[in-house]
Amino acid sequence: AQRVTQPEKLLSVFKGAPVELKCNYSYSGSPELFWYVQYSRQRLQLLLRHISRESIKGFTADLNKGETSFHLKKPFAQEEDSAMYYCALGSSGSRLTFGEGTQLTVNP
Amino acid sequence: GAVVSQHPSRVICKSGTSVKIECRSLDFQATTMFWYRQFPKQSLMLMATSNEGSKATYEQGVEKDKFLINHASLTLSTLTVTSAHPEDSSFYICSARAWTSGGAARNEQFFGPGTRLTVL
Repeated sequence: AQRVTQPEKLLSVFKGAPVELKCNYSYSGSPELFWYVQYSRQRLQLLLRHISRESIKGFTADLNKGETSFHLKKPFAQEEDSAMYYCALGSSGSRLTFGEGTQLTVNP
Repeated sequence: GAVVSQHPSRVICKSGTSVKIECRSLDFQATTMFWYRQFPKQSLMLMATSNEGSKATYEQGVEKDKFLINHASLTLSTLTVTSAHPEDSSFYICSARAWTSGGAARNEQFFGPGTRLTVL
């Protein structure tokens, strides 16, 4: 069975500091991984998908199959990055399994 | 583009009544929609996959007779919570799968704003 683990429920950093949100997964097949973000009072929206290998809003995430991880990183956090971040694993039929989420707070 | 709406955004009902929640893809066709449930300060839990023109696929532990799903058109899926009880109170979120263009991009889900159900 697939599983996604986000070990930190809360993460607080200062503006300009680097930030890393951890995500580990377990899946027997070939994983498709995503990061979703939910800003206050807004709907869930896609931030990154691993197959695109893109940088969105300064965030990047690299799939490490050896460590079964897909950590989200940004070198210089901004206050507007404060939000709830969910790591998700896509499996057959595009079903998504979500992690518990990490609430990121960027302090001024 | 790729906007998903839900109606109602909030509903309060009495125990024993049934409640219908609609999920619409506004500017694209979605052959597959998903229904999630989210408890306070917890993650999204997939309840079922709704396929247009066929029966929904329910996740383990989700009662199909209690959570009726109908996906009668390419833009509309409905979730009916039958004989609702206080323990059904939750935040229900739908998403629709749309295929994005481009060599590297594949299908992704677009989420609705959610429906807050409170059963008294």
